[in-house]
Amino acid sequence: QKEVEQNSGPLSVPEGAIASLNCTYSDRGSQSFFWYRQYSGKSPELIMSIYSNGDKEDGRFTAQLNKASQYVSLLIRDSQPSDSATYLCAVSGAAGNKLTFGGGTRVLVKP
Amino acid sequence: EAGVVQSPRYKIIEKKQPVAFWCNPISGHNTLYWYRQNLGQGPELLIRYENEEAVDDSQLPKDRFSAERLKGVDSTLKIQPAELGDSAVYLCASKGDSGTSGTYEQFFGPGTRLTVL
Repeated sequence: QKEVEQNSGPLSVPEGAIASLNCTYSDRGSQSFFWYRQYSGKSPELIMSIYSNGDKEDGRFTAQLNKASQYVSLLIRDSQPSDSATYLCAVSGAAGNKLTFGGGTRVLVKP
Repeated sequence: EAGVVQSPRYKIIEKKQPVAFWCNPISGHNTLYWYRQNLGQGPELLIRYENEEAVDDSQLPKDRFSAERLKGVDSTLKIQPAELGDSAVYLCASKGDSGTSGTYEQFFGPGTRLTVL
């Protein structure tokens, strides 16, 4: 069993809709959670970090964390074609020293 | 503020040849990471430095891989000799001191795409 699990997709959403991405993790001691966006041929770009249970909003992005259920999600509102990318979930322990990544979810936003 | 710098961006070599990658982290970031990313997968940690000390190299294949960060700033990752299975993107990332912010964000460089023929 992988430590960080994501549905590989592709997740196809129409332009303007909400894209919902999920990630589960196995280490109950995990304390820091991150979402990275990776365009094809590019390196991962940090878009969200979340450290406590609940929701965290930044522009069109909302990260949700539920440590009891060991999942973290990312919502992309008003999806745009430019949001088409692979979204990587990453989890770490104290001080964010070692990130463990999921395999990523590929998102396709269709005009 | 400049981001993480890596060079070269692309490298094509024949198997059994040596190769080296260079990384300069974000200014002031004491923690430096080398990751390897295979196609369709997430990055996997190879080694983590705190200043000039390698504090986690458990995933580094030490028979052929080596790394150094002599002055606690830029770093070099070397493979000698390269094998076909080493073809991947090698990513460098850095993280600053969280201080009072309590944030632990890592920022990635553009990566080096290695092809071993």
